[in-house]
Amino acid sequence: NAGVTQTPKFQVLKTGQSMTLQCAQDMNHNSMYWYRQDPGMGLRLIYYSASEGTTDKGEVPNGYNVSRLNKREFSLRLESAAPSQTSVYFCATHREGARNGYTFGSGTRLTVV
Amino acid sequence: GDSVTQMEGPVTLSEEAFLTINCTYTATGYPSLFWYVQYPGEGLQLLLKATKADDKGSNKGFEATYRKETTSFHLEKGSVQVSDSAVYFCALSDQAGTALIFGKGTTLSVSS
Repeated sequence: NAGVTQTPKFQVLKTGQSMTLQCAQDMNHNSMYWYRQDPGMGLRLIYYSASEGTTDKGEVPNGYNVSRLNKREFSLRLESAAPSQTSVYFCATHREGARNGYTFGSGTRLTVV
Repeated sequence: GDSVTQMEGPVTLSEEAFLTINCTYTATGYPSLFWYVQYPGEGLQLLLKATKADDKGSNKGFEATYRKETTSFHLEKGSVQVSDSAVYFCALSDQAGTALIFGKGTTLSVSS
């Protein structure tokens, strides 16, 4: 089935460690997004990519970097994890020009200790 | 900037009760409006949408009407079930479709 795949599903990091969250979509959409979800805060946009080769900051980009490797893949990197980055991370994709909703992955639950 | 405000939860109801979750928005132009649902331990699923004023989105017994005059998109269901227990997010997408902007979410708990 077409959709958005995120890996890993769960991860525990120590403060200062680095890691990359992976996201891949097979919907042939140009736009991809990374959100974080925190209790009482809803979902907040970290970074997005309107097309292959372009990325832009969202509402909460500090402490993160992204790479749009190709049309299918959009990765999120934490260079030096902090406890404040404990969250659930969602990748999403969207077909631009269509006034439809976005398709989300199942999420990565990250804990930084 | 654009924003979404939805009622704070949790909302606790008995099975077959009527549900309303309020959502208002601030946006320039004519955004599209959405309700997403998140069941425990899962990602977000699109529940319904409306793309222009007076449109009514509906799905699985849920409804919401795009009211431009009151900048609202309230979610309603006539008779909730235990299986409706979840977190509900109101969201908007601006005309450029740059990104979805979410409300903070409302937790619904339905007991039998």
